Amino acid sequence: EAQVTQNPRYLITVTGKKLTVTCSQNMNHEYMSWYRQDPGLGLRQIYYSMNVEVTDKGDVPEGYKVSRKEKRNFPLILESPSPNQTSLYFCASSALGTEETQYFGPGTRLLVL
Amino acid sequence: DAKTTQPNSMESNEEEPVHLPCNHSTISGTDYIHWYRQLPSQGPEYVIHGLTSNVNNRMASLAIAEDRKSSTLILHRATLRDAAVYYCILKQGAQKLVFGQGTRLTINP
Repeated sequence: EAQVTQNPRYLITVTGKKLTVTCSQNMNHEYMSWYRQDPGLGLRQIYYSMNVEVTDKGDVPEGYKVSRKEKRNFPLILESPSPNQTSLYFCASSALGTEETQYFGPGTRLLVL
Repeated sequence: DAKTTQPNSMESNEEEPVHLPCNHSTISGTDYIHWYRQLPSQGPEYVIHGLTSNVNNRMASLAIAEDRKSSTLILHRATLRDAAVYYCILKQGAQKLVFGQGTRLTINP
């Protein structure tokens, strides 16, 4: 089954404690992306990757890092989480092309205390 | 990024058709019109997309105005499982999806 998986699904942490949210897709997609969703602000792109070793900033990259060492994985790293990074995070992937659809993961709900 | 305008919310009854409008007056010739929806507690999911002609798939139909400045997503027979936020998105070349606030669709039993 074609899917995007994220782990963990729920996470409570404290300010400053480094964490990684993993994202994996099994569709051999070149493009992967991270979004965060906040009430009243909708979905906003954090980082994206067009292929292995190619990453770029989205609209709200501050406080986040990503890496793309393998095609299937695109982890989101919070080196020093802060309470304003409490949010719902979605990973997505797609093949390249204007008509291509994006597949989203189930989401990771993060609470930073 | 080209903008779309959608009503904040709509309501319909189960087993009736639903027409979700979207205005995109600044659309350019190469922008594709994509629709996604987000069910409660889930990630967005693809619904349908089109360029100029009307499109049908197993989930919905997309009617595109002749001047392409507006489009309508049609759910032919809504069920309770269609209750979601529906997003109309213009996509041009880049992979990025720019989500607006969408239309929250409520289905009454």
